[in-house]
Amino acid sequence: GQNIDQPTEMTATEGAIVQINCTYQTSGFNGLFWYQQHAGEAPTFLSYNVLDGLEEKGRFSSFLSRSKGYSYLLLKELQMKDSASYLCALLDSNYQLIWGAGTKLIIKP
Amino acid sequence: EAGVTQFPSHSVIEKGQTVTLRCDPISGHDNLYWYRRVMGKEIKFLLHFVKESKQDESGMPNNRFLAERTGGTYSTLKVQPAELEDSGVYFCASSQVGLEAFFGQGTRLTVV
Repeated sequence: GQNIDQPTEMTATEGAIVQINCTYQTSGFNGLFWYQQHAGEAPTFLSYNVLDGLEEKGRFSSFLSRSKGYSYLLLKELQMKDSASYLCALLDSNYQLIWGAGTKLIIKP
Repeated sequence: EAGVTQFPSHSVIEKGQTVTLRCDPISGHDNLYWYRRVMGKEIKFLLHFVKESKQDESGMPNNRFLAERTGGTYSTLKVQPAELEDSGVYFCASSQVGLEAFFGQGTRLTVV
């Protein structure tokens, strides 16, 4: 079967760095996505990793280790607007997106 | 280029009524997905179209839900008859094969 785990909630301080972890088990793998979702809005794409390593995009970076079934999203220089849910999603062998439950990130001044 | 668009943005209907949601994917995207997020729970996959064919509809909750994608362009999701537990936000996404999915803004459905 397939399973995705990520923390339910995290709190961080404005200007700091936070790492949101995601672990998964799957029989087929075609990539891992990170999405940001503000309350009441649709998820917006942040990153896509299919090979091992770190992908950097401005303040956001995403890391993947396929052998460990592990990914993380790193957010630097946190801003208040970064308060949102962060969703880890797996693209399986049938190109179906399997979603984690999301991590609610709370930014404090 | 226009993104994924969904209509309506909000819908409030009474239990037992019928509602049809529409999704227009990004032009050229063969893959179209429907998802649902019920308040307080994670996003759940409903089904996946490849062009006009249903590739996977394992997430459809029951036979009150009917999805179509005539001609492989826009898609509709009909709920008939609607029940209270159908309330939530229905998201549509489209993608080219193997690439990231782009989401619409969602339709917030409230069944009263």
